[in-house]
Amino acid sequence: DAKTTQPPSMDCAEGRAANLPCNHSTISGNEYVYWYRQIHSQGPQYIIHGLKNNETNEMASLIITEDRKSSTLILPHATLRDTAVYYCIVVNAGGTSYGKLTFGQGTILTVHP
Amino acid sequence: DTGVSQDPRHKITKRGQNVTFRCDPISEHNRLYWYRQTLGQGPEFLTYFQNEAQLEKSRLLSDRFSAERPKGSFSTLEIQRTEQGDSAMYLCASSLLAGATDTQYFGPGTRLTVL
Repeated sequence: DAKTTQPPSMDCAEGRAANLPCNHSTISGNEYVYWYRQIHSQGPQYIIHGLKNNETNEMASLIITEDRKSSTLILPHATLRDTAVYYCIVVNAGGTSYGKLTFGQGTILTVHP
Repeated sequence: DTGVSQDPRHKITKRGQNVTFRCDPISEHNRLYWYRQTLGQGPEFLTYFQNEAQLEKSRLLSDRFSAERPKGSFSTLEIQRTEQGDSAMYLCASSLLAGATDTQYFGPGTRLTVL
């Protein structure tokens, strides 16, 4: 699986958009970009995933560059409860390949009042 | 909507004892994963089942570790002769392989402390 690079930490003001970047320059054509987050002492929570098109759900938006070498997770209106470690993971998913997740260090997002 | 459940949530044991953890996946999910997470690190893959078949084991899974998924439903992870280095959060995730994606949903984890 391709490796990812994320900033170790970011801050965001409550109510503002949080934009979390991720570099995955070695991603291959059949690999998806997944985002999970982990709030202290809880299991990781799935946020969103995409292949090459931008995606949006009730939690966030995922913007993937045209060359697929990087992506940005957008939390449109961050709240204090969004404070967590955010993981960007590239996964060879689907077919006979299992979707083993390889977690990096992630980005610690702190939302402050 | 019932998510992934794990039992127990916390386990304290003495070195050398055996422990067993249980994971109940989301109903109808055919894949089940175990991960381990130590303090300050991201989760690390341990093993994976598709239905009842264990298809992959990480080299992290020493001979003291064994996992089962009888009948393709719940799964158990047993650690024999626990060591202090086994202290960690043990996470279970399940997924339904459908089409081209395999999104995993995690349980709350079992925190193991080996004294």
